[in-house]
Amino acid sequence: DGGITQSPKYLFRKEGQNVTLSCEQNLNHDAMYWYRQDPGQGLRLIYYSQIVNDFQKGDIAEGYSVSREKKESFPLTVTSAQKNPTAFYLCASSTDRGPLIGQFFGPGTRLTVL
Amino acid sequence: DQQVKQNSPSLSVQEGRISILNCDYTNSMFDYFLWYKKYPAEGPTFLISISSIKDKNEDGRFTVFLNKSAKHLSLHIVPSQPGDSAVYFCAASDRYDMRFGAGTRLTVKP
Repeated sequence: DGGITQSPKYLFRKEGQNVTLSCEQNLNHDAMYWYRQDPGQGLRLIYYSQIVNDFQKGDIAEGYSVSREKKESFPLTVTSAQKNPTAFYLCASSTDRGPLIGQFFGPGTRLTVL
Repeated sequence: DQQVKQNSPSLSVQEGRISILNCDYTNSMFDYFLWYKKYPAEGPTFLISISSIKDKNEDGRFTVFLNKSAKHLSLHIVPSQPGDSAVYFCAASDRYDMRFGAGTRLTVKP
């Protein structure tokens, strides 16, 4: 079964600690994305990567970092510099066949910083 | 700066009736428009899309209408079913840069 996996589903961290969220896809998609969802708001783009070893900042990249060493993997690190890290984080991927077929989303990770 | 707006946070309809979800956007550079459906504790799933060269796209019970001059799109679900109850996000894209609305929670009552 092809898809996107995000682990863990729930994550708790103490304030001031860095934390890395995992995202793996076996869809052979070139592009991958990280979004953040807060209550009452749409998904906001953190980072995206169109190809291995390349990534671009989205609207809210401050306090986050990513890497794209493999096509299948796009981990997101939430650093201590992120002022309000508690949120629902969604990873997505897409093919190069065009935006009309949409992005495929993982199940999300809910991060709570205590 | 919200470039995509869904002004109705919730909508409730009776099973069998039509559901109409609305979305407005501000950026005239958007060429692609999509609707996603999201169940609790899951990621959004792609539902239907339309490009800016069309004004209507149909897929079974789902139809998306695009009015470019008004910068408005809508999703019609006919007939609505209880399993359609979910949060619906509209999105607009110029290729990789996809902007999402805040979502509308649809409840279909049996």
